[in-house]
Amino acid sequence: AQSVTQLDSQVPVFEEAPVELRCNYSSSVSVYLFWYVQYPNQGLQLLLKYLSGSTLVKGINGFEAEFNKSQTSFHLRKPSVHISDTAEYFCAVSSFSGGYQKVTFGTGTKLQVIP
Amino acid sequence: EPEVTQTPSHQVTQMGQEVILRCVPISNHLYFYWYRQILGQKVEFLVSFYNNEISEKSEIFDDQFSVERPDGSNFTLKIRSTKLEDSAMYFCASSGRDRGYQPQHFGDGTRLSIL
Repeated sequence: AQSVTQLDSQVPVFEEAPVELRCNYSSSVSVYLFWYVQYPNQGLQLLLKYLSGSTLVKGINGFEAEFNKSQTSFHLRKPSVHISDTAEYFCAVSSFSGGYQKVTFGTGTKLQVIP
Repeated sequence: EPEVTQTPSHQVTQMGQEVILRCVPISNHLYFYWYRQILGQKVEFLVSFYNNEISEKSEIFDDQFSVERPDGSNFTLKIRSTKLEDSAMYFCASSGRDRGYQPQHFGDGTRLSIL
């Protein structure tokens, strides 16, 4: 079984300030980790993914995340946020076996960027 | 870049009626998925489909739900005798196969409102 915990349901931050959205996961097997962003009334867009290799992963829109196996975390960071980053962010975990996947999502963190 | 497309974007249906949500996955993808997001809650896995069979389904996916790939391009989710609690955003996703991990691509969703 796999699960994802996003402890912060809402994160307000001033424009141009740094932000970190926290994510912890649990799984009995090796997993792949993702961050998705959902803008109001839109679908899910993949921000970044960790499959293997370097633990620091860079994604779109200036976001990055660091995989920490010992702490089972995959926190999302951005050094300077913009108004357009206001959205809901979902951390997700997936196991992969020969093509089939099942993605388990966290409960989401609403990032509100304040002008 | 190829996209997963879903129709309609918004479906309003009377309780007890049947509804069919349609998805056109990316053309060379082989794995297909449906997810559900009740307003204010996290995205939940419903079902995965491969080779004209269900690979896995969640507890949510009970007998009122069914999936079908009626032709080479469409992938549908049917809900028989809809209930108020079926009101949610439904996301279709697809993924490829071969040569290691292929990420899931999500559509923009269909908002289902049951009256």
